[in-house]
Amino acid sequence: LAKTTQPISMDSYEGQEVNITCSHNNIATNDYITWYQQFPSQGPRFIIQGYKTKVTNEVASLFIPADRKSSTLSLPRVSLSDTAVYYCLVGHGGDTGRRALTFGSGTRLQVQP
Amino acid sequence: EAGVAQSPRYKIIEKRQSVAFWCNPISGHATLYWYQQILGQGPKLLIQFQNNGVVDDSQLPKDRFSAERLKGVDSTLKIQPAKLEDSAVYLCASSLTRDRGRENYFGPGTRLTVT
Repeated sequence: LAKTTQPISMDSYEGQEVNITCSHNNIATNDYITWYQQFPSQGPRFIIQGYKTKVTNEVASLFIPADRKSSTLSLPRVSLSDTAVYYCLVGHGGDTGRRALTFGSGTRLQVQP
Repeated sequence: EAGVAQSPRYKIIEKRQSVAFWCNPISGHATLYWYQQILGQGPKLLIQFQNNGVVDDSQLPKDRFSAERLKGVDSTLKIQPAKLEDSAVYLCASSLTRDRGRENYFGPGTRLTVT
């Protein structure tokens, strides 16, 4: 089971770029890397997913080095509304679907004015 | 598009009582998950359904927890009898595919307090 390690918390200021790195040394060949965002009293919300290199959408970018043992979620120009918990998780597709998708404790991002 | 619906939003019970939670996934989503989220921790998968069949219930405490998804749409999660350590938010999620790495859509959760 691929375990992930993230910083417990991070602080930033509005307008800055925030990079949250996740370690997943035991990632399997067919694992994808997925990031979720969770606000208080809400369920997690999908942000971005990738397999290798770089993925970008309207919300964030995901950088994955060649060895795939880590990944970095990049949030450009954060605002106060980006204050949330960010989870990195690994999981895979395929017909088995039996490997558990495990959320760690996440990274609590606090954005200050 | 309507999201994942859950009810109730909050529930307070005494230990040894029973409780049930209901989930209605996004229309057309064949895969449904129940997660337990204890305060300060990330969600933990309890059970995964594909249509009305169980794909993974390896982390479900089967001596007290049960879940069903009749007709492959709505689902209920039951706890009987509840323990203090069951106090948590119970999240329901659904997805189009069976791959849990793919996008899961979460409901707002049911916050359970066991006293």
